[in-house]
Amino acid sequence: KQEVTQIPAALSVPEGENLVLNCSFTDSAIYNLQWFRQDPGKGLTSLLLIQSSQREQTSGRLNASLDKSSGRSTLYIAASQPGDSATYLCAVPNSGYSTLTFGKGTMLLVSP
Amino acid sequence: EPEVTQTPSHQVTQMGQEVILRCVPISNHLYFYWYRQILGQKVEFLVSFYNNEISEKSEIFDDQFSVERPDGSNFTLKIRSTKLEDSAMYFCASISRAVNTEAFFGQGTRLTVV
Repeated sequence: KQEVTQIPAALSVPEGENLVLNCSFTDSAIYNLQWFRQDPGKGLTSLLLIQSSQREQTSGRLNASLDKSSGRSTLYIAASQPGDSATYLCAVPNSGYSTLTFGKGTMLLVSP
Repeated sequence: EPEVTQTPSHQVTQMGQEVILRCVPISNHLYFYWYRQILGQKVEFLVSFYNNEISEKSEIFDDQFSVERPDGSNFTLKIRSTKLEDSAMYFCASISRAVNTEAFFGQGTRLTVV
């Protein structure tokens, strides 16, 4: 059974810092990995989908990397801003119909 | 930009009552899902739906739950007799094809059972 772990559980940084969020998964036979953002009490906003054949995917200040063999992904956020404050979730699909297994998330607080 | 919409955003119900949560997936998507998130816990898969039938369900999705696509646009989750432990945020999601495709989630329905 796939297990997804995210480290750290919480992170507090001053504005402008570059930061790295980590995600690990136990079963490396995945098609892709998706990073989401969740604001308090709100839905899940897709940030990046990185295919198993890719090593990196970029969107603006966000860069996700994937190392299938070691079961790890990182989300790099450049020049963090207070508006980046949210919980960041990673998820991997299980076999079959792409049902997702989620990590518990990293709660990020960026202070001005 | 196309989006998944869910209604209501918040529902309060008494224990034992039936509730129906509604979702309108993205129009050209073929696979539909319900997930839930109990406060402070992980997002958990409940059920997937394709070609007008359930394709996969988790242990959580017992006989108290059912899903339906009553017309070409809506996708509903019914909880027959709600329990206190059903209180959670329920998310609907859709994807366009089975593999290697981005999942889009709605804003969620917060269900509170009292």
